[in-house]
Parts: sequence; structure tokens; C-alpha cells
Amino acid sequence: QVQLVQSGAEVKKPGASVKVSCKASGYTFTNYFMHWVRQAPGQGLDWMGIINPSGTRTTYAQKFQGRVTMTRDASTSTVYMELSSLRSDDTAIYYCAREVRTGIGAANCWGQGTLVTVSS
Amino acid sequence: DIVMTQSPDSLAVSLGERATINCRSSQSILYRSSDRNGLAWYQQKPGQPPKLLIYGASTRESGVPDRFSGSGSGTDFTLTISSLQAEDVAVYYCQEYHTSYTFGQGTKLEIK
Repeated sequence: QVQLVQSGAEVKKPGASVKVSCKASGYTFTNYFMHWVRQAPGQGLDWMGIINPSGTRTTYAQKFQGRVTMTRDASTSTVYMELSSLRSDDTAIYYCAREVRTGIGAANCWGQGTLVTVSS
Repeated sequence: DIVMTQSPDSLAVSLGERATINCRSSQSILYRSSDRNGLAWYQQKPGQPPKLLIYGASTRESGVPDRFSGSGSGTDFTLTISSLQAEDVAVYYCQEYHTSYTFGQGTKLEIK
């Protein structure tokens, strides 16, 4: 079955970077766009960006431009999200999510989430 | 960016009754070429990732019970749960994927 398994929880100091991975299985990895969405404690969903199936094109939400980098490795069916210059308000659960299909930007398969805590 | 505004912020409905959640976008999210809307609805229960219910404003995702339905076009959309079940208690989000993938702020649905 389609599955996205994310890396484990991270604790980082302000100013550091974090890289979260998302390993896909159960489908053809190179056929689907992938999104990253985060959710601060007790808050709503915040879209971060998207990477195309080949990994050659990314689009980031304006609020994360310059701090976020999304990549993917077809050899391991893994997508990555790296966020730099971390601040306390970056403390959140970070989710990867796969689109329904090209042309439908909704996501019907989500990772379990990775808690990133930023604290001095 | 498009702003998505949901109403109400919270809602309490009796079991078996209808629940209605609204979502308004600050600009049209209708794809003129296909006459489809770039609008999705998600359900999120505590401690779980979101679950896709509806996309294209009205297409139910596979496996989603038919008591969930979506309607609307352009800038105004509605998620309806025809007969509320206990397992429907959750936070519901709309999201536009026409332009900037913005989510609404969420609507918390509880049992009255």
C-alpha cells in the first residue's frame, strides 16, 4: 500500500538547520508531486512548498523563501525538506504529503509527521 | 496570496443531524479551462495527519463515506456532513490548490 514514512523527532537550537526525510513506498515515486506542510502546536495547517516528480522544480511559500530547500532522491524514493535559521516559532510537526495525481493539487497520502522542537 | 476563510470557527451538532462548514476564498479558484475548482477538504483528528475528504470542490476521495459532500464554485464552498456520527468529531480544513495552496484556519466540529 502507499506509505510515507518520515524521520524521527528533532531538537534544535535557534539558528541551526534541520533536515527531515520522507521515504515513499507502494507506488511509482517519480510520478507524483510532493508537498510539505507544517503545524505548530495547537494551530492550523501551513503549506510550505512543493517539489515536482523529477526534483527539478520547487515552489516555496513566500514566508519560507530563502530558508527552505526541498529535494528528492529517486534512487531511495525519498524526499527531503531542510529548514535553516531556525527560530522558536518553527517548532511544529512537519508533514510530507503526496498529491492525488498531477493536476490535482490535493494530497491524499500523508506521512506520520516529524516533530521539530527549536529551543535553547 | 489567496486568503481562505472558514466559518464558523467551531460547531456543535447533535448526532444524526446535519453539519455544514463554509469556506470562502479571496479570489476565484475556478479553472476556466476545465470548469473545475481547485478546492479540497480535509479532516484532522487529534494526533493524526490530515485526511483528504473532497477534492475538486465536490469529488469524494476513495473510501470516504457518502455522508460527506462538497459543493460550491468560484469563491464560496461548503462541506456538508448529512448525518453526524461520533467518529466525525475533528477539525476540518479547506485548502485551495489553484494558486498558492493556502489552508483555511480550520473548523472544530463537536457533538452537542
